[in-house]
Amino acid sequence: RKEVEQDPGPFNVPEGATVAFNCTYSNSASQSFFWYRQDCRKEPKLLMSVYSSGNEDGRFTAQLNRASQYISLLIRDSKLSDSATYLCVVNLYSGNTPLVFGKGTRLSVIA
Amino acid sequence: DAGVTQSPTHLIKTRGQHVTLRCSPISGHKSVSWYQQVLGQGPQFIFQYYEKEERGRGNFPDRFSARQFPNYSSELNVNALLLGDSALYLCASSLVAGADEKLFFGSGTQLSVL
Repeated sequence: RKEVEQDPGPFNVPEGATVAFNCTYSNSASQSFFWYRQDCRKEPKLLMSVYSSGNEDGRFTAQLNRASQYISLLIRDSKLSDSATYLCVVNLYSGNTPLVFGKGTRLSVIA
Repeated sequence: DAGVTQSPTHLIKTRGQHVTLRCSPISGHKSVSWYQQVLGQGPQFIFQYYEKEERGRGNFPDRFSARQFPNYSSELNVNALLLGDSALYLCASSLVAGADEKLFFGSGTQLSVL
């Protein structure tokens, strides 16, 4: 089983739609979790951290389910500018590979 | 304030050559990490340095090496280049190394090996 798995998509949604991505991780000792956003041919940028209590930042909501070992990202009222690849990141903290990235989920918001 | 800066932005090399990529972290950040990203994949961890010491090493051959300087800048060296080394090489800095580590990436070096 891969350390971090994501559905690669693409998810094609109309403007204004709500879309959700899931990401599963294999190491139950994982310490912290993040979502990064990567635009085409650009560097990844931190979107938000993910906490057990869940967290919200405007139209974006992230949730963590430690029992089932998955994290989710919900985007409400999608904008054209939300079109990007969303990378799930898990911090193992210990061992040789501190932060592990998923392959990313591609989102296209269409007018 | 300047973000993470990487040089060069693009590089073309031939098989068997050697390459050195450079990275300057955000001021005050003591941790630098290197990632390789192939088109359509997520970034793959290569190395992390914190306070000038290697903190982690990913699953890459010994042809890959790195170091961090007293001013916290870093170099990634790749020897005996192979076609498969063609990728975007990303450098990221963070304030701390650990559970609450948040990475800030440079815009990367696009390496093409012919």
